[in-house]
Amino acid sequence: AQKITQTQPGMFVQEKEAVTLDCTYDTSDQSYGLFWYKQPSSGEMIFLIYQGSYDEQNATEGRYSLNFQKARKSANLVISASQLGDSAMYFCAMREGSPNNDMRFGAGTRLTVKP
Amino acid sequence: EADIYQTPRYLVIGTGKKITLECSQTMGHDKMYWYQQDPGMELHLIHYSYGVNSTEKGDLSSESTVSRIRTEHFPLTLESARPSHTSQYLCASSPLGTSVHNEQFFGPGTRLTVL
Repeated sequence: AQKITQTQPGMFVQEKEAVTLDCTYDTSDQSYGLFWYKQPSSGEMIFLIYQGSYDEQNATEGRYSLNFQKARKSANLVISASQLGDSAMYFCAMREGSPNNDMRFGAGTRLTVKP
Repeated sequence: EADIYQTPRYLVIGTGKKITLECSQTMGHDKMYWYQQDPGMELHLIHYSYGVNSTEKGDLSSESTVSRIRTEHFPLTLESARPSHTSQYLCASSPLGTSVHNEQFFGPGTRLTVL
């Protein structure tokens, strides 16, 4: 079963506007972590933000924030004031508290910021 | 800053050649991973290791092989490269343990083209 679902293969946003990238997940664990990575065209994976399942506050890192809705099992990434350099692939990932707890990745969303 | 390295960054090679993609990390991580990724597409886990002398196949079947003789080193080998192996290969590592907030660190990737 797919653990991480990103339903938006591609998204467009106007420069300086905010954009939300969707991510839903499936787990029966009570303890888990949610991550977002950015992959520019150069190919490297850049860690952006982390949210723990027990964290009561939504995580924020600069222009990135994570809209965590535990009951709905969603962990959407919000990018405020989009910049041209935000154009990239974005991957949502989850790590569960099971013994091997390997990170599972969604299929990704390609974000294009238009000038 | 992540200390995980991959060489070469780019490789163009003819069909039938044997190649080894190198991956090294200096963080002392026990867990290491290889992902195969076509441009703009999702990550596919092809191999992983939980420590020295431990290697497992991932979700996507691959003709490549890996070895883990030293903690810091996790090379991937293709005995006979074919055009279908053309892709980007990403190496990653993370600490051992059940903590859900362990970030996964990625190398810069190797872009392989088999002619």
